[in-house]
Amino acid sequence: AQKITQTQPGMFVQEKEAVTLDCTYDTSDQSYGLFWYKQPSSGEMIFLIYQGSYDEQNATEGRYSLNFQKARKSANLVISASQLGDSAMYFCAMRPWNTGNQFYFGTGTSLTVIP
Amino acid sequence: EAGVAQSPRYKIIEKRQSVAFWCNPISGHATLYWYQQILGQGPKLLIQFQNNGVVDDSQLPKDRFSAERLKGVDSTLKIQPAKLEDSAVYLCASSPSRSLLETQYFGPGTRLLVL
Repeated sequence: AQKITQTQPGMFVQEKEAVTLDCTYDTSDQSYGLFWYKQPSSGEMIFLIYQGSYDEQNATEGRYSLNFQKARKSANLVISASQLGDSAMYFCAMRPWNTGNQFYFGTGTSLTVIP
Repeated sequence: EAGVAQSPRYKIIEKRQSVAFWCNPISGHATLYWYQQILGQGPKLLIQFQNNGVVDDSQLPKDRFSAERLKGVDSTLKIQPAKLEDSAVYLCASSPSRSLLETQYFGPGTRLLVL
């Protein structure tokens, strides 16, 4: 079975501080992709960062980095230097190779950046 | 490059009425997804198309939901008859291919309220 778990329903962070959003996954596939999306109150899902299961280095995109620990099946998102505009819902998703390439989403974490 | 377009953005109907949503993916994207996102949850895949063929519709309530993607471009999702529990945001997404490396790009969503 494919499963994504986000255990933090809500997080608060001070502006300019770093924050880590947790994500663990479960899959029997050896090949898979891991994705993080941001969903502001407007509702549109915005792609942030991607990590492939065979990538040895952690992915980085600007202020976003993905802390990938394959043995622990975790793919935590780290946002550095938080900004007020980072306040949103954040979803972790997995795309296993052998299951029709569909995306499996977690329940999300609501991040609030405090000025 | 134009993004994924969806219409309408909002819809309010009474239970037992029918409703249809439209999605136009990014030009050239072969894969199209319809998701249902209930408030406070992550997106749940309803149906996935590859060109004009269905790849996965295992979570589509086929007694009331239907979807088509004629000519492998735009798509419509229909609910008939609607129930109160169908109140949700319906997200359309597209991706260039079924490659693990490709993210999906989301439209703005249609917010449905069933009274």
